[in-house]
Amino acid sequence: DTAVSQTPKYLVTQMGNDKSIKCEQNLGHDTMYWYKQDSKKFLKIMFSYNNKELIINETVPNRFSPKSPDKAHLNLHINSLELGDSAVYFCASSHRLAGGLGEQYFGPGTRLTVT
Amino acid sequence: LAKTTQPISMDSYEGQEVNITCSHNNIATNDYITWYQQFPSQGPRFIIQGYKTKVTNEVASLFIPADRKSSTLSLPRVSLSDTAVYYCLGWNFNKFYFGSGTKLNVKP
Repeated sequence: DTAVSQTPKYLVTQMGNDKSIKCEQNLGHDTMYWYKQDSKKFLKIMFSYNNKELIINETVPNRFSPKSPDKAHLNLHINSLELGDSAVYFCASSHRLAGGLGEQYFGPGTRLTVT
Repeated sequence: LAKTTQPISMDSYEGQEVNITCSHNNIATNDYITWYQQFPSQGPRFIIQGYKTKVTNEVASLFIPADRKSSTLSLPRVSLSDTAVYYCLGWNFNKFYFGSGTKLNVKP
């Protein structure tokens, strides 16, 4: 059974399009995250939701909008895609981390290529 | 900010012990230090976590000095399958930051 799953695994699209990436976790966690990993392998937190409530919202263009229909799902919608959005996007989940105690479980990633 | 810095890459040979150090300035008093491992085309995976002194599990040890401004991940007797990127994760209250990652290359 896959703990954290993402769809699609690969996404190739043109500039200006709107796309969504879906994430689901079956671990019973109450917190979910979206990360962006660029070509230099830097991992940057974008958003975090706890029980469907946004708790971390880093400096991310407002073209990116997370949506959490329930605590097992956190989807990422991206409007007006740009070349610089090309990256691997990871979803993760955990119990609510206080002071960093605990671990995050990552999905397999979605490789987004904008042409 | 819990900015974390670590070496870009390291080389080792099978059977050696590897130590990867991460510096994390401004880590908050009560916050933990965590290390993750990432293989190509996979998501990061939790390795070990600690608060102070030394923590050991079945795959690694984590050494944290008293001032907690750095931590060292120790991998005993590495094998080829330990070739991966290793990230330290520092927290500062409700914010956290992954280091830039250390690419460990284990040679036969």
